[in-house]
Formats: sequence, structure tokens, C-alpha cells
Amino acid sequence: EDQVTQSPEALRLQEGESSSLNCSYTVSGLRGLFWYRQDPGKGPEFLFTLYSAGEEKEKERLKATLTKKESFLHITAPKPEDSATYLCAVQGAYGNKLVFGAGTILRVKS
Amino acid sequence: EPEVTQTPSHQVTQMGQEVILRCVPISNHLYFYWYRQILGQKVEFLVSFYNNEISEKSEIFDDQFSVERPDGSNFTLKIRSTKLEDSAMYFCASGGGTNIGELFFGEGSRLTVL
Repeated sequence: EDQVTQSPEALRLQEGESSSLNCSYTVSGLRGLFWYRQDPGKGPEFLFTLYSAGEEKEKERLKATLTKKESFLHITAPKPEDSATYLCAVQGAYGNKLVFGAGTILRVKS
Repeated sequence: EPEVTQTPSHQVTQMGQEVILRCVPISNHLYFYWYRQILGQKVEFLVSFYNNEISEKSEIFDDQFSVERPDGSNFTLKIRSTKLEDSAMYFCASGGGTNIGELFFGEGSRLTVL
């Protein structure tokens, strides 16, 4: 069974304080690993797709990386508007469903 | 910017009642999904729909659940006889197919079963 574990559960940062979120996964034949952002009371919003170990993607202050066992979402000099829950999901070899982790709740204080 | 729209935003129902949640996916998308999120828990896959039929469903999606695409724009989730444990946020999502995992989610329908 495909599984995703995210850590930490919650993270508080000061504005400008860089950090990383972790996503560990076990999956039968990884077709893709995905990062989403979810604001309170809203649906997840797509951020990145990573397909293979060594791949990196960047968007503004966010950079996602992938190894064979885990992915990191690096946040550089975060701002209060980066506060959200960050979800990691994997897609395995069979079917199109995404299996989500529980998420990391990020709070950035000014 | 195109978006997925869901109605109602919140529905309160009595246990045993039927509920229909509605979604309008992005118009040129081919893949449609329902996910749910019980308060404080993970986003869970329910069902995927492609080419006018269910392509995959989870163990949660039992005989009490059904999906339909009655016309070219709407995508519905029906729960025949609601249970207390069906209380959750239900998200509709659609995907264009180029990047199967890049889904566009609606803002959700919160279902409360009393």
C-alpha cells in the first residue's frame, strides 16, 4: 500500500527564516510526487510535480527536491503569505489516484 | 482563470438522507475526481471518472456512493443514505491529462450529518 509521511506536523518560522519540510514515501513504482498548498477552508492548490530522483523544481521562494525515499520542500526567506498547510502526494504504478500525506502546517510570523 | 466550482458550500442533513454534491470541472479537462477530508485528517481519494465511467475507486466508495456526469458540464457525487461518519469536506478535482497528478481542486462542499 502506498504511504506518505510528512514532518514536522507543524512549523513556526519568523519572516526570513529559511527551513525545509520533509515528505517520506513508500510506493509501488513512483509515477510522480506532488506538492500542494492548502489554505484554511479551501481545496489544495498544485505547486510541483517531481518524477525522478535528483529532480528539482523551483517557484518563487519554494524549491522541491526528490530522492528515492523522500522529498523536501525548501522555503527560502519565507513571508507571512507563505503560511498554509503543505501537502505531499504520490501517484503509484497503478491508477491515477493521489495518496496524500497529513501535511505540514506552516506559520510565518512577521 | 478557469476554476472548478462546487455546490453547495455547506450542507447539513439528517442521518439516512440522500445527498447530492455538485461540481463543474474545468471545461476542457478529461479526468474528474472526488476526494474527501475528514476534519483534521488526510485528504483521501474516493473515485476517479474518465470517458464517462468510473476508472478507479477506493474502499470508501461503497454501494452508498455513486457518481454521474449527467451533461457536458456537471459532475455529481451522490450519497444514498448518509451516516454520521460521512461528515467531511468533499473536494471535486479535474485534470487535463498532460500531467496526471496536476489536479485543480474546487473549494469543497462541507457535509455535516446529524
